Amino acid sequence: GAGVSQTPSNKVTEKGKYVELRCDPISGHTALYWYRQSLGQGPEFLIYFQGTGAADDSGLPNDRFFAVRPEGSVSTLKIQRTERGDSAVYLCASSPTPLTDTQYFGPGTRLTVL
Amino acid sequence: GESVGLHLPTLSVQEGDNSIINCAYSNSASDYFIWYKQESGKGPQFIIDIRSNMDKRQGQRVTVLLNKTVKHLSLQIAATQPGDSAVYFCAEIDTGRRALTFGSGTRLQVQP
Repeated sequence: GAGVSQTPSNKVTEKGKYVELRCDPISGHTALYWYRQSLGQGPEFLIYFQGTGAADDSGLPNDRFFAVRPEGSVSTLKIQRTERGDSAVYLCASSPTPLTDTQYFGPGTRLTVL
Repeated sequence: GESVGLHLPTLSVQEGDNSIINCAYSNSASDYFIWYKQESGKGPQFIIDIRSNMDKRQGQRVTVLLNKTVKHLSLQIAATQPGDSAVYFCAEIDTGRRALTFGSGTRLQVQP
């Protein structure tokens, strides 16, 4: 497909478990972003990658959250010791270059921590 | 799918009417603004953008107005259609960062 894809679309886990969420950006897009959206609110920034490196991780809420993008394309958001408050929709977005501000979003992964 | 915007302000319009959705932003350093449309269970979809050196930009059936003096952004949708029903978010980017900061959103309901 031509858009940003995210897997899984839904993830249900138990408190304390580890989860990984995957994002496939639009082909050729060098910038990749993760956001988190709670019910009834706008998305909130988590982390931004330019290529393989995290250029801005100031939005990660704590050290249980970590993200990688080892080859500069696919990215994985990792959450350790999940808590019920981590339940949200996790959105990924990409943009063509670091100088292109328009970000194109994927459908999100809905994470539910029981 | 997940219902976006359960607690958001709602604008109800009749099909064919024009809609105006407003947004206030707080960061005077923001230089780029985007309107996104989000349907239930989907990610935000780009609608239109505007840079801070402009005060108006038009697209197909949509117009964005920017008033930097009062830090206000609006989205005008002409001849609103049922397919326009969704939650609309404004977002801004600060010159020094790449992250989008989203507003609180408005739910648009179009009555046929």
